Amino acid sequence: KQEVTQIPAALSVPEGENLVLNCSFTDSAIYNLQWFRQDPGKGLTSLLLIQSSQREQTSGRLNASLDKSSGRSTLYIAASQPGDSATYLCAVGGAYNQGGKLIFGQGTELSVKP
Amino acid sequence: GAGVSQTPSNKVTEKGKYVELRCDPISGHTALYWYRQSLGQGPEFLIYFQGTGAADDSGLPNDRFFAVRPEGSVSTLKIQRTERGDSAVYLCASSLTGVAGELFFGEGSRLTVL
Repeated sequence: KQEVTQIPAALSVPEGENLVLNCSFTDSAIYNLQWFRQDPGKGLTSLLLIQSSQREQTSGRLNASLDKSSGRSTLYIAASQPGDSATYLCAVGGAYNQGGKLIFGQGTELSVKP
Repeated sequence: GAGVSQTPSNKVTEKGKYVELRCDPISGHTALYWYRQSLGQGPEFLIYFQGTGAADDSGLPNDRFFAVRPEGSVSTLKIQRTERGDSAVYLCASSLTGVAGELFFGEGSRLTVL
């Protein structure tokens, strides 16, 4: 059974720092991996989608990497801002024919202090 | 519509009552998903529709939970004989096709069972 773990559970940094959020998964037979952002009381916003054949994806100040063989992904946030404060969730998709059936981690709650 | 719309945003009910939660996906999206998120946890998969049919309902916790999507657009999640343990945020997501790709989430329906 696939399990997804995110470390740390919470992180507080001063504005301007570069930071890394970690995600690990137990079964390397994944189809893709997505990083989401969730603001308090809100739904999830997709940040980056990495297919299993890819090593990384970038969007603005965000860079996500995927090492399928070791069961790990990292989300790198450059020059953090207070507006980046949110919970970041990692989720893996198991197979092509499973569509959007994702297994989520518990999330990392990020706080960026001005 | 512009995004995934869920109603009601908040629902408070008494133990034993029947509840319906509605999801209106992004126009043209054929795949629709329901997830449940408990406090401090990542979302858990409930059911996935491809068109009108439930392609995978393996995440429904028991037979008190049922979902329909009669015309391949709007979906309703139905919970019978609600229990306090059903209290959670119910999230709906849609994607363009059933192929594993980017999911777009609604803001959720927060259900509280007293």
